[in-house]
Amino acid sequence: DAGVIQSPRHEVTEMGQEVTLRCKPISGHDYLFWYRQTMMRGLELLIYFNNNVPIDDSGMPEDRFSAKMPNASFSTLKIQPSEPRDSAVYFCASNLRVGGRNEQFFGPGTRLTVL
Amino acid sequence: GENVEQHPSTLSVQEGDSAVIKCTYSDSASNYFPWYKQELGKGPQLIIDIRSNVGEKKDQRIAVTLNKTAKHFSLHITETQPEDSAVYFCAASISSGGNKLVFGAGTILRVKS
Repeated sequence: DAGVIQSPRHEVTEMGQEVTLRCKPISGHDYLFWYRQTMMRGLELLIYFNNNVPIDDSGMPEDRFSAKMPNASFSTLKIQPSEPRDSAVYFCASNLRVGGRNEQFFGPGTRLTVL
Repeated sequence: GENVEQHPSTLSVQEGDSAVIKCTYSDSASNYFPWYKQELGKGPQLIIDIRSNVGEKKDQRIAVTLNKTAKHFSLHITETQPEDSAVYFCAASISSGGNKLVFGAGTILRVKS
């Protein structure tokens, strides 16, 4: 398996622009997570899905952020409008929960810079 | 909600020495404790995990211990090598509370050769 795939790997945009980050989870996995990593706040869970349904979006910072999972093999995280404080590395992770083990497989991340 | 604290934030050891990273958690219902390693430019990767019905688990040079009473768990790396240099994260989750992991702030480990 190719692992979790994220695109783009790097994104540089200007304040106010819309940004869309993409994720393809590992085939067969039923959970998908979006995280944000910054030096100041560490690794934060933004939202997660189970069987394409959002379960917990309490980590989404504000209404400018939205996430969708239209099918089992694709998810997007959108920021509109983007702001400089959104600059971070965004990770997608997936897992197949078996026997209570919650191993999450992370993608390589998207480094977002908002100027 | 669950809160995970991790110490130290940075750790520098000589090659061949041992390294220990400690975490505490707040929710006594947490029952799954993984450790992730993150290398530069990559996503975190699971290196070892432990469930609350086990006190210790070992995998070659790495081991994790869990003290449920004190609500803390530790990662032990023996015979450290330069390739162990990375950021290490602990996490905790409650299996009955969905599939959500709460991560510690991370420890930057530097192994000097």
